Amino acid sequence: SAVISQKPSRDICQRGTSLTIQCQVDSQVTMMFWYRQQPGQSLTLIATANQGSEATYESGFVIDKFPISRPNLTFSTLTVSNMSPEDSSIYLCSVERTGTEAFFGQGTRLTVV
Amino acid sequence: DAKTTQPNSMESNEEEPVHLPCNHSTISGTDYIHWYRQLPSQGPEYVIHGLTSNVNNRMASLAIAEDRKSSTLILHRATLRDAAVYYCILRANFNKFYFGSGTKLNVKP
Repeated sequence: SAVISQKPSRDICQRGTSLTIQCQVDSQVTMMFWYRQQPGQSLTLIATANQGSEATYESGFVIDKFPISRPNLTFSTLTVSNMSPEDSSIYLCSVERTGTEAFFGQGTRLTVV
Repeated sequence: DAKTTQPNSMESNEEEPVHLPCNHSTISGTDYIHWYRQLPSQGPEYVIHGLTSNVNNRMASLAIAEDRKSSTLILHRATLRDAAVYYCILRANFNKFYFGSGTKLNVKP
């Protein structure tokens, strides 16, 4: 298994500002992903966080809006830039080691006012 | 990526079996069928997965149709703690999960 810690667990931010979310895993993992879950909706994959190289973004998501870092095999950050109320969502970090089962953090609940 | 179709919601009585259906008519030969569930205010958690044969684990059973165009997640005795959104996911790429809308399961005492 893998234990994932996300920080902060929740935040209320002013529009136009940026928030960086941290994801820490208790052991080295190959794959790390970031998801967004809008209110009452399912999860949408934002990007794959690649260690040592630029993240791979899904359609509809761009690096300028959601810059991602992954300096090592246990840590990643997602920044939500120039926030608007439409960015109010839960952001989740996910990791995978064995190629079969994915593990998810508890999520960061973001409210933009 | 191949898509899945699930009922929006289902209801079950506590301690009775629950059969959650999933249709995936465009599944490819190498797609695994995964099930995850999301309890309220938590991240999703793994339930079970399979390729062609039926699978059992301590949480549930997965029944896969012979043509693989549908599958059913079986909770043998639902408890109140099983109330969650259940996602049926086809793993089209080796390392990515794309979530559908899922089935919200309500368990009545």
